[in-house]
Amino acid sequence: EVQLLESGGGLVQPGGSLRLSCAASGFTFSSYAINWVRQAPGKGLEWVSGITGSGGSTYYADSVKGRFTVSRDNSKNTLYLQMNSLRAEDTAVYYCAKVGSNNQLVKYEFDYWGQGTLVTVSS
Amino acid sequence: EIVLTQSPDFQSVTPKEKVTITCRASQSIGSSLHWYQQKPDQSPKLLIKSASQSISGVPSRFSGSGSGTDFTLTINSLEAEDAATYYCHQSSNLPFTFGPGTKVDIK
Repeated sequence: EVQLLESGGGLVQPGGSLRLSCAASGFTFSSYAINWVRQAPGKGLEWVSGITGSGGSTYYADSVKGRFTVSRDNSKNTLYLQMNSLRAEDTAVYYCAKVGSNNQLVKYEFDYWGQGTLVTVSS
Repeated sequence: EIVLTQSPDFQSVTPKEKVTITCRASQSIGSSLHWYQQKPDQSPKLLIKSASQSISGVPSRFSGSGSGTDFTLTINSLEAEDAATYYCHQSSNLPFTFGPGTKVDIK
């Protein structure tokens, strides 16, 4: 059974940093691209970042480029999102979502999602 | 960036009614359009992939159609458990984008 479990969310002051983790199981982790998607309270879904299975290519939304860094440790089946220079508008539930086709990032659906972790940026 | 628009924003429907939600892309995305269902306090769940392909475990009353810029999600014979917000999502081009959502409420 595919499982994705996010952790690391919490309350942080504006300008602060936080690192999210997404622990994966039930599939060959290194073969699949994974994305981060966020959802501000009461709002819709926003794609944040994506990383290929090997970790060799990373992609970001303009809203987080230069502040967030996505990475993965395939030996630990874990995805990370390092978030720096946090702003109030980064407040959201952050989901990791697996791409449905192996060795692909573009063209395919997000077939499994984690339960999300809440990040609150406030003084 | 490809913009997705959905209509309607909200729909209140009686059980057994048919629901049609449309999603329009600002440029052609082929069939790289997917549909998700999100219930309150839950993560999104994949309903339809690649515009019209069904997903194992998803009830057959959910179906999708379309290609290029115009897509449709149809729920035949709505059930009470289908009360949720429905999102379309394009993965044709980075940055990936989502529609604003359609909330379906049961009368």
